[in-house]
Amino acid sequence: NAGVMQNPRHLVRRRGQEARLRCSPMKGHSHVYWYRQLPEEGLKFMVYLQKENIIDESGMPKERFSAEFPKEGPSILRIQQVVRGDSAAYFCASSPGQGYGAFFGQGTRLTVV
Amino acid sequence: DQQVKQNSPSLSVQEGRISILNCDYTNSMFDYFLWYKKYPAEGPTFLISISSIKDKNEDGRFTVFLNKSAKHLSLHIVPSQPGDSAVYFCAASGGSGSARQLTFGSGTQLTVLP
Repeated sequence: NAGVMQNPRHLVRRRGQEARLRCSPMKGHSHVYWYRQLPEEGLKFMVYLQKENIIDESGMPKERFSAEFPKEGPSILRIQQVVRGDSAAYFCASSPGQGYGAFFGQGTRLTVV
Repeated sequence: DQQVKQNSPSLSVQEGRISILNCDYTNSMFDYFLWYKKYPAEGPTFLISISSIKDKNEDGRFTVFLNKSAKHLSLHIVPSQPGDSAVYFCAASGGSGSARQLTFGSGTQLTVLP
């Protein structure tokens, strides 16, 4: 049973480009969470999705960021027109349901140059 | 507004001794608490959790204690081993509808000295 898979592991984008981060949850997990870790900080919640639904996006910046979890395929976190401040480690976690611990992927390290 | 606080950014302990990592929270709606360990360039790894209906949960060398009245939890590692050196994050969930997202503390870097 593979763990949470994120790709790419490292992503370099120039300012103004788009970044697409992918997350495949663990088998049997229908709940996906995205977190961001800025340098020297803890993990901050961004968005919580179930298949085809955004349940809570209270941690997402209002502009340029979007997330989806389609019926088929991985969850995608999309950042449009990236800026230097978007440079961070983005972690995806999945869980089988509410009340369970979340299991994290290895993260995507986004660097905006 | 930090709802989960880890006030010690770092802790050094001698191998074989006990490591005690502390965490405080402010949101009384939190009812599920977790500890994660994180190595550099890797994702957090789930260690141990505790529900608010309990005050202690043990798993091998790891024990988590919850004091609801003080809104405080702690992770005890005994005996500590050099491989335990990592950043430890406390996390909490509950309240705010059914989202169940985790709110993390800022982490404590544990160094176990051989």
